[in-house]
Amino acid sequence: SAVISQKPSRDICQRGTSLTIQCQVDSQVTMMFWYRQQPGQSLTLIATANQGSEATYESGFVIDKFPISRPNLTFSTLTVSNMSPEDSSIYLCSAGVSNTEAFFGQGTRLTVV
Amino acid sequence: SQKIEQNSEALNIQEGKTATLTCNYTNYSPAYLQWYRQDPGRGPVFLLLIRENEKEKRKERLKVTFDTTLKQSLFHITASQPADSATYLCALPLSGGSYIPTFGRGTSLIVHP
Repeated sequence: SAVISQKPSRDICQRGTSLTIQCQVDSQVTMMFWYRQQPGQSLTLIATANQGSEATYESGFVIDKFPISRPNLTFSTLTVSNMSPEDSSIYLCSAGVSNTEAFFGQGTRLTVV
Repeated sequence: SQKIEQNSEALNIQEGKTATLTCNYTNYSPAYLQWYRQDPGRGPVFLLLIRENEKEKRKERLKVTFDTTLKQSLFHITASQPADSATYLCALPLSGGSYIPTFGRGTSLIVHP
């Protein structure tokens, strides 16, 4: 199993600013992912964080808006850049220990005003 | 990619009854299907995985069925308790050959004492 610590747990930010969310896993994991979840909606995959190389983004998400780092097998960051109210959402870090189960952090609730 | 359908209406049941949640999917048949539980303000927690060659899987009071002909999974909680109240998410691999989970919107279960 894996325990994932994500911070901040919540934040209120001004439009036009950027926020970096950190994700720390208590063990080395092969796969790390970032999801977004808007109220009442399903989790939407933003990107796969690749260790030592550029993240793989899903359709509708771009590196300039959501730059991701993954310097090692236990840590990743997601930055939400030049924020607008439409970016208000819950952002979730996930790690896969095996290819059949995913573990999640508690999420970061972001409000952009 | 997969389209996953879960009943968006909340399921209200009385304590002690069996709750049954439905997950339907389109497109390709996945190698496996997962169920997660999500509580308010928390990330999803993995519950069960069922593979395409398994008809049924059980874990304590939980039972999952997988019908690849109907492209449907049923999730049952027997002898339900108020503590079972949560949102239950169905997840499938993002695409054939992938192991990145893609999620349905989830169904909210409310168990009344």
